[in-house]
Order: sequence, then C-alpha cells, then structure tokens
Amino acid sequence: GAVVSQHPSRVICKSGTSVKIECRSLDFQATTMFWYRQFPKQSLMLMATSNEGSKATYEQGVEKDKFLINHASLTLSTLTVTSAHPEDSSFYICSAPKGGPRSYEQYFGPGTRLTVT
Amino acid sequence: SQQGEEDPQALSIQEGENATMNCSYKTSINNLQWYRQNSGRGLVHLILIRSNEREKHSGRLRVTLDTSKKSSSLLITASRAADTASYFCATAGITSGGFKTIFGAGTRLFVKA
Repeated sequence: GAVVSQHPSRVICKSGTSVKIECRSLDFQATTMFWYRQFPKQSLMLMATSNEGSKATYEQGVEKDKFLINHASLTLSTLTVTSAHPEDSSFYICSAPKGGPRSYEQYFGPGTRLTVT
Repeated sequence: SQQGEEDPQALSIQEGENATMNCSYKTSINNLQWYRQNSGRGLVHLILIRSNEREKHSGRLRVTLDTSKKSSSLLITASRAADTASYFCATAGITSGGFKTIFGAGTRLFVKA
C-alpha cells in the first residue's frame, strides 16, 4: 500500500524554540495533506489542511501563526511549531489522500512525538 | 473538531469474548473508517465502509453502518489479548470547511488474557 513518512519520529526541544516536522508521501503525489494533533489518551484533532501551491486551511481555534504549514511540493508538507511551549507537547500525525483531495484512500504517517521542556 | 461520540469510552473483556464499539457522527459522509492505535503508536487502518454499504466483514471484524441514524458499530469476535488498543472511527466527507476526515473520541479496549 501507499506509504506516508514523517520525520522526525520523536523530538525534544526547549521552550521558545521552533520545531519543523516533515510529512512525505513516498510513492504518490498529494496536492492535499492533513495535519492532526493527539494529546495523551485523546482522539486525533484535525489542525489544518495543507494545500500545495496555496495557503493552508486551519481549523477553528488553531493559531496559524504558531503552526506554520508549507506544502513545498506534491510529496512534502511541513508543519513548524513556532516558539514552542510545554502545552504544545503532543503527538502530531499527518495524512495524505492517494487519489486526490476527495479520495477514500487516506494514508497516515507514523506520527511525530513532540516534547517541549 | 471531532465528528461525534464513541461508546463505550472504555471496555474491558476476557479473551475469547466479543467486543462491540459504537460510533455516532453528525454530518453527511462519503465513507467511514475504523482504525486501531496501540499506546503511543501510529494508526492502523482496519476497515472502510462506504455510505451506500450497510455491513462489511474482514477477518474477525464486522462493521455496520446506519446512515439514517448516523451511526456505525465495530464488532471484534473472539477477542485476543493482542487486540488491546484504542479504536477510532473516522468519517470522510464534505463539511463547511471542505473535504475532511474527522475522528471520533475513541474506545479504549482492554482484553484480559
């Protein structure tokens, strides 16, 4: 099946620094990718939709200036957590639909665990 | 945003018993998917059921979908200790903000050996 990778898988950073997380579709192109955040023992919350060639669409309550999304190419979306704080510590997961933005085939990355100290 | 509720929030059963988890959602959907997640790990896709389907099987898994009630159920038969995980339903469809996949709150299943 299709593969979506994330890098890094785990990152620890100090409060006030910025962290970049990459999401790549390895064997298909994705004009749209999705970013989710998951706090411990909770569900995945959709943060934003990343669009290649245009601005990301953010969900209500998600600060676009804090969570910068850049869809640099048809296989790469990046999420940058700027000026990270301990409350940003979470599991971040991306997904990409293989057959276009409305495809049933949604493939998820393995996740990135961010810990802000 | 979350699509809806799952119940129960937590379920503890003995190995060999069946486990049933329910999911409700709020908007129109194209399909509904079930995922498993082991603690601290990524998602494992279990099964997808389209909006025009009512029931689907895959191994020990049985999924039903009732679009009139906006609900779905996941049945795991003859459960095993290895089935211990969190289970999430996710609905894909058009929302006011565009096409999205939204997750339910999840059910934490614990299967005792």
